[in-house]
Amino acid sequence: DGGITQSPKYLFRKEGQNVTLSCEQNLNHDAMYWYRQDPGQGLRLIYYSQIVNDFQKGDIAEGYSVSREKKESFPLTVTSAQKNPTAFYLCASSIRGPKPLHFGNGTRLTVT
Amino acid sequence: KQEVTQIPAALSVPEGENLVLNCSFTDSAIYNLQWFRQDPGKGLTSLLLIQSSQREQTSGRLNASLDKSSGRSTLYIAASQPGDSATYLCAGFTGNQFYFGTGTSLTVIP
Repeated sequence: DGGITQSPKYLFRKEGQNVTLSCEQNLNHDAMYWYRQDPGQGLRLIYYSQIVNDFQKGDIAEGYSVSREKKESFPLTVTSAQKNPTAFYLCASSIRGPKPLHFGNGTRLTVT
Repeated sequence: KQEVTQIPAALSVPEGENLVLNCSFTDSAIYNLQWFRQDPGKGLTSLLLIQSSQREQTSGRLNASLDKSSGRSTLYIAASQPGDSATYLCAGFTGNQFYFGTGTSLTVIP
């Protein structure tokens, strides 16, 4: 079945450590997105990529980094510069343009 | 920048009731409006997508409408069931990205 796989489901890290969240899709979608979700807030866009080897900052990119070396993969690194990294992270993909957005099941990151 | 608002933030209804969830947006230059369902601790599941040239879409007991001129979309759920309990989010596509509302948390009481 086609879909988006995020791993791991739960991730625990100590403050000051970088951590990388995985996102893989087999839908052959060009566009991929990373969102952060906090209680009581809507989804906020961290980074997005419309094509391999290209990505753009979203509304809250500070303290995060991404790469898009392969069409099917869009890993997100949460760096130690991110002041409040504990959150639920969602990866999504779509065909380029105003097409339906598909989501993975998310990774819950806890930093202590 | 597109601002998307969803009212009410929470809603509790008895089983069998018909209900309407509201989504409003500030920039009428959207290309589509998508409704999602999110269960606790899970990702978002797409329910309906309305293209800007359409006025509504239907899937089973769900009907979504879009009025770009007034900046509004509604999601109508007929004959609600306890399994419909979830958070419902709307998102509008403008330019290169989607803008999300904060969601409506729905509880259907058996």
